[in-house]
Amino acid sequence: NAGVTQTPKFRILKIGQSMTLQCAQDMNHNYMYWYRQDPGMGLKLIYYSVGAGITDKGEVPNGYNVSRSTTEDFPLRLELAAPSQTSVYFCASIPSGETGELFFGEGSRLTVL
Amino acid sequence: AQRVTQPEKLLSVFKGAPVELKCNYSYSGSPELFWYVQYSRQRLQLLLRHISRESIKGFTADLNKGETSFHLKKPFAQEEDSAMYYCALVIGSGNQFYFGTGTSLTVIP
Repeated sequence: NAGVTQTPKFRILKIGQSMTLQCAQDMNHNYMYWYRQDPGMGLKLIYYSVGAGITDKGEVPNGYNVSRSTTEDFPLRLELAAPSQTSVYFCASIPSGETGELFFGEGSRLTVL
Repeated sequence: AQRVTQPEKLLSVFKGAPVELKCNYSYSGSPELFWYVQYSRQRLQLLLRHISRESIKGFTADLNKGETSFHLKKPFAQEEDSAMYYCALVIGSGNQFYFGTGTSLTVIP
């Protein structure tokens, strides 16, 4: 199992550009999450999904969109990138019905200039 | 509102000294709490959860509902304990994990 895979690992965007961060997991986990990690701010929940076709907002959803067409994939879309979206983004997953271990991806470092 | 508070951003201790990383939470229901760790150049990973009441890598954490705390402790710090530690609270039907701001622990040789 590859676990949780994120692409790209690094990306530089210009203000106003759009992009999609990809996240895939091969563990058949129903619950998936997107977090952003900023220095001194910890991890903030952007969006989460409890299964294919179901998504919901977390703490900081503004400026982002998600979709969940399959159990495996949970892409995060940035529309009109802003410098405030410069961050490290983490995708994570967990089996449904369990409150246990979150499995994290390696992270995607995004810089908006 | 911050649900999880980790008051120390940075913490340095000498090797062999005791270490305590503080975590306080705000939640009116029955909390489920975790400690996650991120070693240099590694993914975030689970260190321990309050339900299991186990010791991992010499670390323990006790849930104190009266003080709404879940402090992480280790009696004798090792150099390999140097890492970023996050306290997390789980709430909601969507298993929403809320993380604290993290504490960067440095163990001085």
